[in-house]
Amino acid sequence: GESVGLHLPTLSVQEGDNSIINCAYSNSASDYFIWYKQESGKGPQFIIDIRSNMDKRQGQRVTVLLNKTVKHLSLQIAATQPGDSAVYFCAEKRNRAGGYNKLIFGAGTRLAVHP
Amino acid sequence: DVKVTQSSRYLVKRTGEKVFLECVQDMDHENMFWYRQDPGLGLRLIYFSYDVKMKEKGDIPEGYSVSREKKERFSLILESASTNQTSMYLCASSPQSGLTEAFFGQGTRLTVV
Repeated sequence: GESVGLHLPTLSVQEGDNSIINCAYSNSASDYFIWYKQESGKGPQFIIDIRSNMDKRQGQRVTVLLNKTVKHLSLQIAATQPGDSAVYFCAEKRNRAGGYNKLIFGAGTRLAVHP
Repeated sequence: DVKVTQSSRYLVKRTGEKVFLECVQDMDHENMFWYRQDPGLGLRLIYFSYDVKMKEKGDIPEGYSVSREKKERFSLILESASTNQTSMYLCASSPQSGLTEAFFGQGTRLTVV
């Protein structure tokens, strides 16, 4: 079946380095993608999103890249800080007939930032 | 700020009990969702609702039901709790139209003993 997934379950980086978290999706009809951050004991929080008519979007210290050719999504975090330690999820929005859209999540990647 | 509030952070219930998890959102969103989150499996959709009294099964609806009597409130019901329903439960809401993110509650950690 179609799914959204992540290549790496755990990513360890040094403080100050750049982090790259990857995600693969399989539904070429999806038109919206989101990255969420989930800290321990909390619900997922929105980081950044991108529509399928774009290939790059930048926020504060974060950049999302979308490669529709290979159905790949990545989240880049610049100058990673200890506060970035969390689980990161990519999500894909699949629109259905009647507009009842729902998000499909990947399994998540844990980012561990070391001093 | 958008707020999605789940009634409990932690719950401990006995096998066979009927369990209600409540979720309220204050943004007048049409869509509401219930997910469960388990290590290594990410977030899996249990049920969602796109309007009052409307519901649709997600990927893992077995053992669960839902109720949406008012737009702001979406309840998840475990008819007869079992130990394999021990999990983190997350509620979310989103507008129906447009490409926007879903907003999540803080989660309810349910333990069934």
